[in-house]
Amino acid sequence: NAGVTQTPKFQVLKTGQSMTLQCAQDMNHNSMYWYRQDPGMGLRLIYYSASEGTTDKGEVPNGYNVSRLNKREFSLRLESAAPSQTSVYFCASRLGGGSTSGANVLTFGAGSRLTVL
Amino acid sequence: AQSVTQLDSHVSVSEGTPVLLRCNYSSSYSPSLFWYVQHPNKGLQLLLKYTSAATLVKGINGFEAEFKKSETSFHLTKPSAHMSDAAEYFCVVSDLDSNYQLIWGAGTKLIIKP
Repeated sequence: NAGVTQTPKFQVLKTGQSMTLQCAQDMNHNSMYWYRQDPGMGLRLIYYSASEGTTDKGEVPNGYNVSRLNKREFSLRLESAAPSQTSVYFCASRLGGGSTSGANVLTFGAGSRLTVL
Repeated sequence: AQSVTQLDSHVSVSEGTPVLLRCNYSSSYSPSLFWYVQHPNKGLQLLLKYTSAATLVKGINGFEAEFKKSETSFHLTKPSAHMSDAAEYFCVVSDLDSNYQLIWGAGTKLIIKP
């Protein structure tokens, strides 16, 4: 049981290049999330998908797009990378779409470290 | 709107001594509160959660946290630090105000001295 799998683990881009971060979960979770983590700022939500077929902006969506391809997969795309997007990106999933039930905790992927030169 | 403040960006303790990581939150509704841990170059793992049951919550690896509504606090403690506890710890709140999305604190880096 792999949990949440992110690819790639590391990527270096030049300014203006595009790329897609892939995320897949095998826990039959409904909700999926993309976060970025920068030093001293905790985790900031980029986009989320409360259920298959829906996506919503989080706190820092500018410069990103997402696709909820199916229940398992949620990809994050940078159309024209900028140095400000240098960060560690985490995908996460949880069972429910909007409940604070104790069962609805986030399961995280291992992270993708992106450097934009 | 809700928010989370972790009062210390770094905490340094000696191995075998108690650990206290402080977290204050603001919430208009009865919140759910979480502590997550991130070991160096790893993903995040849930330590413990509070969801309106017992106010003293026990988590993994000997950690516990107490929900104090009057003080709007959810501090994380451990009686005796171990070298393997060195990591970054995040306090997180979720409630109706945020449409049940998670609001993250900035993190506290726990350093363990031998």
